[in-house]
Amino acid sequence: DAGVIQSPRHEVTEMGQEVTLRCKPISGHNSLFWYRQTMMRGLELLIYFNNNVPIDDSGMPEDRFSAKMPNASFSTLKIQPSEPRDSAVYFCASSPDWLAYYGEQYFGPGTRLTVT
Amino acid sequence: AQSVTQLDSQVPVFEEAPVELRCNYSSSVSVYLFWYVQYPNQGLQLLLKYLSGSTLVESINGFEAEFNKSQTSFHLRKPSVHISDTAEYFCAVTGNTGKLIFGQGTTLQVKP
Repeated sequence: DAGVIQSPRHEVTEMGQEVTLRCKPISGHNSLFWYRQTMMRGLELLIYFNNNVPIDDSGMPEDRFSAKMPNASFSTLKIQPSEPRDSAVYFCASSPDWLAYYGEQYFGPGTRLTVT
Repeated sequence: AQSVTQLDSQVPVFEEAPVELRCNYSSSVSVYLFWYVQYPNQGLQLLLKYLSGSTLVESINGFEAEFNKSQTSFHLRKPSVHISDTAEYFCAVTGNTGKLIFGQGTTLQVKP
């Protein structure tokens, strides 16, 4: 199994530009999570999908952030417009329902975003 | 609401020495507890978990953690560390929602 796939692995962009991060969960996993990791705030849950439906987006910082899951094998996290304070590592994680309930998740390698 | 406190941000230790990474949690409901490990430039991996039953849980690479309900702790221990154990370790808790609440992380630095 290829594991959770994220692209790009690194992204450098200028303030004001649109950024799209992509995630392919493990086949058969129907729960998908987006996290942000920074030195100051640690690891934060941004949004959680189950069966392609957003269940909890209370962690999305503001309207500049949006996430979609058009099908079971693909999700995007978009930032528009980007700001320097969005610089962070963004992780995608997936899990089958029966493991998600117990908190066991499989993480991708992350996308390191730098906004200048 | 649930929260997790990792008491040490960095733990330096010499190779083959024992180590303990401390984790305390707070929750008004029954919890499941986890330790995840993050090696440099990688995503998090589940190291071990406590769901129910025996309060002492073990990983395949020699780590163990003990759930102590009265002290609301889930400390991680290893009797003899290796250079390859150098990583960041995250304690996490979840109730019945599936949402993981992570601590701030502890960087374990194993020196030769």
